[in-house]
Amino acid sequence: TAGITQAPTSQILAAGRSMTLRCTQDMRHNAMYWYRQDLGLGLRLIHYSNTAGTTGKGEVPDGYSVSRANTDDFPLTLASAVPSQTSVYFCASSGLAASTDTQYFGPGTRLTVL
Amino acid sequence: GQNIDQPTEMTATEGAIVQINCTYQTSGFNGLFWYQQHAGEAPTFLSYNVLDGLEEKGRFSSFLSRSKGYSYLLLKELQMKDSASYLCAVMDSNYQLIWGAGTKLIIKP
Repeated sequence: TAGITQAPTSQILAAGRSMTLRCTQDMRHNAMYWYRQDLGLGLRLIHYSNTAGTTGKGEVPDGYSVSRANTDDFPLTLASAVPSQTSVYFCASSGLAASTDTQYFGPGTRLTVL
Repeated sequence: GQNIDQPTEMTATEGAIVQINCTYQTSGFNGLFWYQQHAGEAPTFLSYNVLDGLEEKGRFSSFLSRSKGYSYLLLKELQMKDSASYLCAVMDSNYQLIWGAGTKLIIKP
């Protein structure tokens, strides 16, 4: 079982360009999450989805958008990238939303915005 | 505000025991998680505590005191492969995880 996959593994992006980070899970989990991880800081929640068709804002949503058209996929879009969005992005999923279910993480996307 | 504190870095010797502490102040409490993260990799789940006391899982144990807002992760019989960052995270009243910055554990032979 693949679990959670993310693409691309890494990317260098010019400021002002748009980009979509892809995330797919095969565990039929209801809840999915996008985090960013920066040196010296804890993981910060960008957006989440409790179930297909619904999304919500996390701690740091500005500059990012998400969609959840089906259970498996949860893409994250940067409409116009800025250097402060340079980070490692992790997608995660858990069985049930609003529960203590363990979150399982994808391998991450390392994004550099120049 | 919500806050999770853990040491930035610790060093220990192969075969020894190390305790990584985590203190927290959050809006509500629905449990505390520990994750392990090797450099360049994803966080992986280690343990979950919601009641006070010690949970043992092989070489790893996790302790929780809700009244003190305190947890620790205890690693015994350290191996070189235990060199990683250890992340403490608290689930708040909205069932969102609040993460500490992580403790980088360096194991020396």
